[in-house]
Amino acid sequence: GQNIDQPTEMTATEGAIVQINCTYQTSGFNGLFWYQQHAGEAPTFLSYNVLDGLEEKGRFSSFLSRSKGYSYLLLKELQMKDSASYLCAVRSDYKLSFGAGTTVTVRA
Amino acid sequence: DSGVTQTPKHLITATGQRVTLRCSPRSGDLSVYWYQQSLDQGLQFLIQYYNGEERAKGNILERFSAQQFPDLHSELNLSSLELGDSALYFCASSVPGQGDNEQFFGPGTRLTVL
Repeated sequence: GQNIDQPTEMTATEGAIVQINCTYQTSGFNGLFWYQQHAGEAPTFLSYNVLDGLEEKGRFSSFLSRSKGYSYLLLKELQMKDSASYLCAVRSDYKLSFGAGTTVTVRA
Repeated sequence: DSGVTQTPKHLITATGQRVTLRCSPRSGDLSVYWYQQSLDQGLQFLIQYYNGEERAKGNILERFSAQQFPDLHSELNLSSLELGDSALYFCASSVPGQGDNEQFFGPGTRLTVL
């Protein structure tokens, strides 16, 4: 099975940087994903890592260390619209398992 | 708008009843996934279909079943409903040939069991 841990909540100021950590234990790792979900809405894809290292995509970056079972999502130049839940998900075979999500609140 | 459609948007029913949720994937997507999201369980993978065939099964109860039709739309059937089945049910689809790396989620069906 999967065991995925991420912090429950984080708060940051507009314009700042926030790093959301995710640790996982899994068999048959086949990729780590980050999704953003605003309250009452569907998740939207942010990033995908399957090899170690950093993937950068605009204001969002995601890092993976497979040997440590660790990933983080870095949100830069925070905007009010970034207030949402951020879900870490691990794929094993064809199954995607999600963490409970980190609620990020951006304050003015 | 992800291009994935789900109907109905809301569904209110009673315990013991049976309901069918419908999903149409994005044009060209062959894979359809079903997820359940409740407050206490988070987002849980239920089942995946690829081009009409079941590909992967997650935490799907025996009371639940799904299928994908030749036109690639999918239905999730929930029977003998219990209060605990109240949740948001999402359908997602992904682009073939790209390792299913990005899933596009529909707006969800909110099921309330009274």
